Amino acid sequence: KQEVTQIPAALSVPEGENLVLNCSFTDSAIYNLQWFRQDPGKGLTSLLLIQSSQREQTSGRLNASLDKSSGRSTLYIAASQPGDSATYLCAVISSNTGKLIFGQGTTLQVKP
Amino acid sequence: DAGVIQSPRHEVTEMGQEVTLRCKPISGHNSLFWYRQTMMRGLELLIYFNNNVPIDDSGMPEDRFSAKMPNASFSTLKIQPSEPRDSAVYFCASRTTGSETQYFGPGTRLLVL
Repeated sequence: KQEVTQIPAALSVPEGENLVLNCSFTDSAIYNLQWFRQDPGKGLTSLLLIQSSQREQTSGRLNASLDKSSGRSTLYIAASQPGDSATYLCAVISSNTGKLIFGQGTTLQVKP
Repeated sequence: DAGVIQSPRHEVTEMGQEVTLRCKPISGHNSLFWYRQTMMRGLELLIYFNNNVPIDDSGMPEDRFSAKMPNASFSTLKIQPSEPRDSAVYFCASRTTGSETQYFGPGTRLLVL
């Protein structure tokens, strides 16, 4: 059974700092991996999607990497801003089931 | 586009009552997903539809839960009878063929007393 784990559960950093969020998954048979952002009381917004054949994707100050063989992904946020404060969720689509399996998320606070 | 629309946004009900959650997917999207989010279990897929047909309902917790999609622009998730452990945020998401990105609605926050 696919399990997705995110570390740390919570992170607080000063504005301007570069940071890395970690995601690991137990079954490397994935179709793709996605990073989402969730603001309090709101739905999820897709940030980046990495196909299983890809190593990384970039969007603005965000860079996501994927190492399928080791079951790991990282989300790198450069020059963090208070507006980046949110919960970041990692999810994989299992090749076997086609379902999106989510991690528990990392709650990020960027202090001005 | 208005995005995925869910109603109600908040629902407070008493144990034993029937609860109906509603979702309108993004126009043109042909896949619809219902998720439940709790502190203990995180975000879990309950059921998903493709072209209005339920494809996988293995995530539906028990027979008290049912979901329908009578047409391409409307879906319901019903809980009857509701129990306090059903308290959670229920999200609906939709996706179009050929895209792997799901677009989430704002969620319905359900509290069963």
